[in-house]
Parts: sequence; structure tokens; C-alpha cells
Amino acid sequence: KNQVEQSPQSLIILEGKNCTLQCNYTVSPFSNLRWYKQDTGRGPVSLTIMTFSENTKSNGRYTATLDADTKQSSLHITASQLSDSASYICVVSPGLTGGGNKLTFGTGTQLKVEL
Amino acid sequence: NAGVTQTPKFQVLKTGQSMTLQCAQDMNHNSMYWYRQDPGMGLRLIYYSASEGTTDKGEVPNGYNVSRLNKREFSLRLESAAPSQTSVYFCASSEKLLATYEQYFGPGTRLTVT
Repeated sequence: KNQVEQSPQSLIILEGKNCTLQCNYTVSPFSNLRWYKQDTGRGPVSLTIMTFSENTKSNGRYTATLDADTKQSSLHITASQLSDSASYICVVSPGLTGGGNKLTFGTGTQLKVEL
Repeated sequence: NAGVTQTPKFQVLKTGQSMTLQCAQDMNHNSMYWYRQDPGMGLRLIYYSASEGTTDKGEVPNGYNVSRLNKREFSLRLESAAPSQTSVYFCASSEKLLATYEQYFGPGTRLTVT
């Protein structure tokens, strides 16, 4: 069964500090991997999308890395801000012929940024 | 553009009652989805519509029905609500069904069944 596991489950950091969130997946064959940010009481919003051939992708202070060989991805947040407090969800898509109905969602990492 | 909108935002039902969750998108997307999100679990697909006029079951379809009313609107109906259906429901849309197309999510409906 396709699985996406994220760690840590939750994380508290001080404003201005950096942090890294992890995602391990077993989805095979693999098409692309997304990181979503979900604010409390809101729907998920896409941060980055990476295909199997990409190693790194940035979106402002967010940088995602992907190692398709070890089936691992990470999301690095630089110079955290209070507004970064949210759940970060890793989502993996199946092979090129797979549909949007085949996404596998992780359970998310709950990040809290404090003063 | 409003993106994906959902109504209502909150709802409390008694066991056995019925209700319909509404979803609309203004991005001219072909594909639409209904997910539920429960604590400690990833989003799970309930039903999806690859294009106007078609609907298919997802991972957890039991107890739900859907209608793709037109290209913009995709509704989810609970015919006889059960406490196990207490959850947050998200509607999403994408330009096409292929997984390479990004899904855009609505704000969610928080449903409690007592």
C-alpha cells in the first residue's frame, strides 16, 4: 500500500530560526511530490511541486529537496515567521498515467513559531 | 477570482439527518474532488469527477453521494448522517484529472454529527 510518512509530528521553534521537515514515501511508480501549507481552519495551499527528476525547488523562504532513490523529501524553512505556524503536508502522486484521484497524503507536521 | 468556495462553513447534524455540502469553482477546471480530513490521518478521497457528467468513487465513498451539477459545481450529500462522518470536508479542483495538475482546495466544511 502506498504510504507517506512525515516527521516530526509537531515542532515548536523560535521566530527567526530555521527548521527542516521530513517526508518519506513508498509510492511507486512515482510522478511528483508536493508540499502544502494548511493554516488552521483553512484548506491546503500548494508551496512547491517537484517531479522525480528535480532535486530542489524554492519558493521564497521555503526550499524543498527530493531524493527519488531513497524516496525522501524535506522542506526547509528559513528565518521563520509567526505566519509560518501551520500544518505542512507532503503529498505524493503516482506515475505519469495516474490521476489526481490517486494522491497519497501525509498526516502533516504541525509547526508552531513562537516569539 | 474566488477560487474554490464551499458552503456551509460549519454544520451540526443529528444522527439520521441528511444534508448537502455545496462546492463551486470559478477557474474553469474540468476535475473536482471531495476529501475528508480526520485527526491523525491524511486527507482521504471520497468521490471525484474527472469531467462534467462523470463521477467516480474514491477511497471512502460509503454513506455519501455526489452530483456534478455543471462544470462549476460539485455537491456532496449525506443521506443519513452517522457520528463516524464527523469530519472536515474539503472540495478541490484541478484543470485535468492527471496527477501532474495541481489541485486547489476550498476552505472546508466542519461537520459534527451527534
